Formats: sequence, structure tokens, C-alpha cells
Amino acid sequence: GAGVSQSPSNKVTEKGKDVELRCDPISGHTALYWYRQSLGQGLEFLIYFQGNSAPDKSGLPSDRFSAERTGGSVSTLTIQRTQQEDSAVYLCASSYQVGETQYFGPGTRLLVL
Amino acid sequence: GENVEQHPSTLSVQEGDSAVIKCTYSDSASNYFPWYKQELGKRPQLIIDIRSNVGEKKDQRIAVTLNKTAKHFSLHITETQPEDSAVYFCAAPQGAQKLVFGQGTRLTINP
Repeated sequence: GAGVSQSPSNKVTEKGKDVELRCDPISGHTALYWYRQSLGQGLEFLIYFQGNSAPDKSGLPSDRFSAERTGGSVSTLTIQRTQQEDSAVYLCASSYQVGETQYFGPGTRLLVL
Repeated sequence: GENVEQHPSTLSVQEGDSAVIKCTYSDSASNYFPWYKQELGKRPQLIIDIRSNVGEKKDQRIAVTLNKTAKHFSLHITETQPEDSAVYFCAAPQGAQKLVFGQGTRLTINP
């Protein structure tokens, strides 16, 4: 079946603009996770969803970052007033249930000029 | 919360030799330990995982061992090939919810 998909694959924006990143999880997966990966670095946890609720938002770097998930499926990560340090690859993953194997999407490469 | 330490950060081995990457974790309640492989410019992909009711699991040239007493687990790759070159991440669960990832190991296979 189809894997996790993300859009756009690449996004270039100007400092101060808002961006929206989209994640389509594997059908039937109830848990969805967002990570950030800076160049050559590890995986930084941002937020996860169980259904439509977000029990753990502890990884969001600032109040400029927000995420929502509707219908227990698609999720959107929004970054307001982007800064150059927001430049990174944003990875989404989903799992059948929380705590089970996570499958990653291809990521969105964000560049803030 | 869970703390995962991964070593070494870089590893270079000759083709055909074995490679071992080690991770330690802090939460004794953790019971699931996946390993991901990330090739340059690509997404992390699960290569093997182990649950706490077993001490070792093998899949062809890849094996993972788990020592729950010492709270560490290791990835073993035998007969390494150039296509094994990648960054490898270990992970452990925090509160049976999210995964906490190690810092990654950049493995280079020299021909």
C-alpha cells in the first residue's frame, strides 16, 4: 500500500513568511509524528498525535510552531514568521498505534532565506 | 524521560568486515528498540527491531542484541558491503509513546 507522503518536497521562503507543511500518514495509522532534521544532524522530536489530539507538544521549538490533525488522518505543521534557523528537513512518521513501529515520509526540505 | 546514547558517531570499516554500533538507554520500562538506516538525502527506514522478551534477533547480515540488565542494545552488520554506507539511528520508547532517537552513527564502508 501507499506509504507516508509529504508535501511540498521542497520549500523556499523568505524570512518572516508563514509556511504550511503537509503529511499524509499510512491509511489506518492512528499515531502521527513530526520531526526536524538539520543538515547532518539527528532527529529532533517536535510533536505527536494520537488520533486528532496532541498529548505531547513538548518538542515544538517556539510558539511560532503549531500543528493540527483533522479527521484522524492528514496533519499540517505551520511555522509562522519563519527564521533562517528554521531551515531543515521536516519529517513526518506514522504508526498503527502509539509506541509501535514508525514509518517515515520523504520529508519537506525547508529553506528560509 | 528516556535518554538514548549512541556510539560511535562515525565508523569506518573495510568492505567485508563487521560493524557494531551500540546504544544505551535509561528507562528500564522500555520494551521496544528499533534501528533505522538513513541514506544520504533519503528518509529513515526501519531495518530491524527487537522487543524485550528476546535477547537477539537476526535478519540475514544484520543482527540486534539486547541486554536489559545493562540497558544497552547493539546493531551488528556482518560482511559489510558498500551499500551499507549510511547513517544509522537507534531508538527507544518514552512512556510507550514517542520514540527517543540516538544521535546517529555515520557508517562508511571502504572498498
